[in-house]
Amino acid sequence: LAKTTQPISMDSYEGQEVNITCSHNNIATNDYITWYQQFPSQGPRFIIQGYKTKVTNEVASLFIPADRKSSTLSLPRVSLSDTAVYYCLLNQAGTALIFGKGTTLSVSS
Amino acid sequence: EPEVTQTPSHQVTQMGQEVILRCVPISNHLYFYWYRQILGQKVEFLVSFYNNEISEKSEIFDDQFSVERPDGSNFTLKIRSTKLEDSAMYFCASSEGQGTGHEQYFGPGTRLTVT
Repeated sequence: LAKTTQPISMDSYEGQEVNITCSHNNIATNDYITWYQQFPSQGPRFIIQGYKTKVTNEVASLFIPADRKSSTLSLPRVSLSDTAVYYCLLNQAGTALIFGKGTTLSVSS
Repeated sequence: EPEVTQTPSHQVTQMGQEVILRCVPISNHLYFYWYRQILGQKVEFLVSFYNNEISEKSEIFDDQFSVERPDGSNFTLKIRSTKLEDSAMYFCASSEGQGTGHEQYFGPGTRLTVT
């Protein structure tokens, strides 16, 4: 049973910022919030991980409020190549990742 | 940048045959995993491996499956007698497992087709 809830799909246009929100009301103290991207017939690709507040890397930003019951993945200025499935997951060191259906992001020109 | 590699990229086998899927995890990682994804469905956890033993496994990982780390670099998944429903993409992943750097890195997958 997936421990996170996220929208099934989102649509965007090239150049826009996309924010995907994930809720995880029952997050455990030891859980980290991790986002993956998956293209068809490829392995999930790690995007970003955080525990609290804000994390930013060269690809995305992750916003986590103080209560950690939700998180938002922000993709700045998306392009057609960002069309993919995005997964929000909770994980601890060495434990199984439980994937849900993710959010299918479609970027149009 | 270090990456997880998997071989073969595609394996076709007949029902009832044994298959071995191979993975080379990232060299300093301590935890190893197998997942599978049936076409059009979710990624499903199969098994995790740490310190030369299985640390966690799912209901999918029954007696037909086994894992092994035969040497310091390879991590294998064996399916003893394949069934049609074993047809899927099989992904290997690895993680450091310590501190905050325990995100799992996935390989490109092996597409297993059972006929």
